[in-house]
Amino acid sequence: SYEVTQPPSVSVSPGQTASITCSGDKLGDKYACWYQQKPGQSPVVVIYQNTRRPSGIPERFSGSNSGNTATLTISGTQAMDEADYYCQAWDTSTVVFGGGTRLTVL
Amino acid sequence: EVQLVESGGGLVQPGGSLKVSCAASGFTFSGSAMHWVRQASGKGLEWVGRIRSKGNSYATAYGASVKGRFTISRDDSKNTAYLQMNSLKAEDTAMYYCTRHHPTDDVFDIWGQGTMVTVSS
Repeated sequence: SYEVTQPPSVSVSPGQTASITCSGDKLGDKYACWYQQKPGQSPVVVIYQNTRRPSGIPERFSGSNSGNTATLTISGTQAMDEADYYCQAWDTSTVVFGGGTRLTVL
Repeated sequence: EVQLVESGGGLVQPGGSLKVSCAASGFTFSGSAMHWVRQASGKGLEWVGRIRSKGNSYATAYGASVKGRFTISRDDSKNTAYLQMNSLKAEDTAMYYCTRHHPTDDVFDIWGQGTMVTVSS
């Protein structure tokens, strides 16, 4: 079965750029999405179809997907961005989530 | 208001069954594929399965860990999706979310608040 892998944790200083990767075989041939989840809350999509940002999501969130790696980039990271982030890909008839990355802003 | 509201979670013994519901409002439910995603406490998101729309023959698909034990159905007249869980195991203990697959974009754009299922004796 298809799998995607994320680093368990990423740390960033306020105002700096955070990058969270998601790796999978030929992931660049698929659409990738990114979801943000804060404690006690449901996931919220921040990036879909590799690079598209839903209305209401700040411009500091961006995405890319090429080769075997999709990347979520948060420019000018703010304290409110501290959360768990999950990548998600579509594989034929099923869906796969990465294990999640805890973003710490310190 | 666009929303999904799950209900029906609770405590069930190992080997037992439970059916949870997901009530939709504020969008055209009948045209949307609906998915279930679960999350054990302190763990990541796990895809459970999905049911497509009538136009796609209500096709279902399931994750490997629940295939053969869980069944997803829907009632478009009630704008509700269901997850029937049989032969429950302790490892099925999790928060269960329903989520909408946007009809034209590959994204889960609407999520419910979740319903907690605990499998324990």
